[in-house]
Formats: sequence, structure tokens, C-alpha cells
Amino acid sequence: NAGVIQTPRHKVTGKGQEATLWCEPISGHSAVFWYRQTIVQGLEFLTYFRNQAPIDDSGMPKERFSAQMPNQSHSTLKIQSTQPQDSAVYLCASSLGGNTGQLYFGEGSKLTVL
Amino acid sequence: AQSVTQPDARVTVSEGASLQLRCKYSYFGTPYLFWYVQYPRQGLQLLLKYYPGDPVVQGVNGFEAEFSKSNSSFHLRKASVHWSDWAVYFCAVKGTGSKLSFGKGAKLTVSP
Repeated sequence: NAGVIQTPRHKVTGKGQEATLWCEPISGHSAVFWYRQTIVQGLEFLTYFRNQAPIDDSGMPKERFSAQMPNQSHSTLKIQSTQPQDSAVYLCASSLGGNTGQLYFGEGSKLTVL
Repeated sequence: AQSVTQPDARVTVSEGASLQLRCKYSYFGTPYLFWYVQYPRQGLQLLLKYYPGDPVVQGVNGFEAEFSKSNSSFHLRKASVHWSDWAVYFCAVKGTGSKLSFGKGAKLTVSP
């Protein structure tokens, strides 16, 4: 069974450019989570979908960040006008039911903003 | 609000020695608690989970953790560390919602 697939694994953007990160959850999993990982802040929750519907986006920066889940097989995280402080590893995870706490993580997308 | 504190950011133990990684949680109520492990260049993997019940839970590769409501703790233990345990360990708490709140992690180094 394939795990959670994230693409690209590495992305370098210039300041002010847009970055789109993709996540393919495990087939049959109904919940998708996005986290951001940095050395300083650790793992920060960004947003969560269940059955493609946005449930909790309390961790999303109000400006420039958006997430979508147009179908059950993929989710995207878009960052507009990227800034150096957006540099991080963005982790996607999926879960069978969303409420168990048992998450299956992808390997992450490392974003570097120059 | 829920949160987790891992007081030891870096831990070094000798191979074969015992290990304890500390985790203190903050949550008003009975939480679900987890330990995840991140091996080099890999995603996080679930090591073990606590759902209300037996306070001692067993995980993979000989790891176990003990929940204490009175101490608000969920410490991770292993009797004999192997070099392959070299990784970063994250404690996490889930309250009534679905999101997990993670600690900042403890980087374990295993010396020969």
C-alpha cells in the first residue's frame, strides 16, 4: 500500500512568488491534515479536512495561505507571495476517521524561500 | 486549549542503556495521548497511543509509555536502546477536536 504522497519534496521560490504543495492521502482515508514543521516552532497545525470539507483552519495564517481538497484523492496547500519566514517543511497526514489521532504522515515538502 | 511540553530537547544514551523521554500535557479533561517518531529523512510514524483505560501502553520495538493524570504526564520508556532508535520523538495530545498538538520533540542520540 502506498503511503501519503507529497509533491514536490523540495521547492525553492523567490520572495513574492507563489508555491503550491500537493498531497495524496492514503486511499480510503477520509481525513487530511496539514502541519508546518520548523526548528523554532516545531510542528504547527494548519488545517484539516474531513470528507473533503474544511473542518478546522484555525492554524492557517489569515493572509496568503489557502488549502483545498477538490476530490478525495488530493489536497493542495497554496502560499501566495511567499516570504522567507514561510520556509519550512510542510507535512500532510491522513487518517481513517479523523477523530482517532492516528495520523499517517507523508515525508513532507521542504519549502525554501530565498 | 491543549498543549504538550517536552522538557528535554536532546537526549544521549548508550546503546543497551534504558531510556525515558518526558512529556507533560495540558488539557482540561481526559486526553488521548500519542508518541510519534521521526527517523532521518522520513515522515512521522505512530509509536504508541493512549486512549482512556490501562495507563501503561505498549508500542512497537519495545517502547512503552505510562499515563499519569495526577502528574499530567505521558512519559516514554524503553528498557534497552538500540542504535536504530536514533530519531526525533514527539509527544502529542488530542482533546475533543480532531487536531493533534505536538511537543517540540526530543532528539535521541545513541552512542556506541
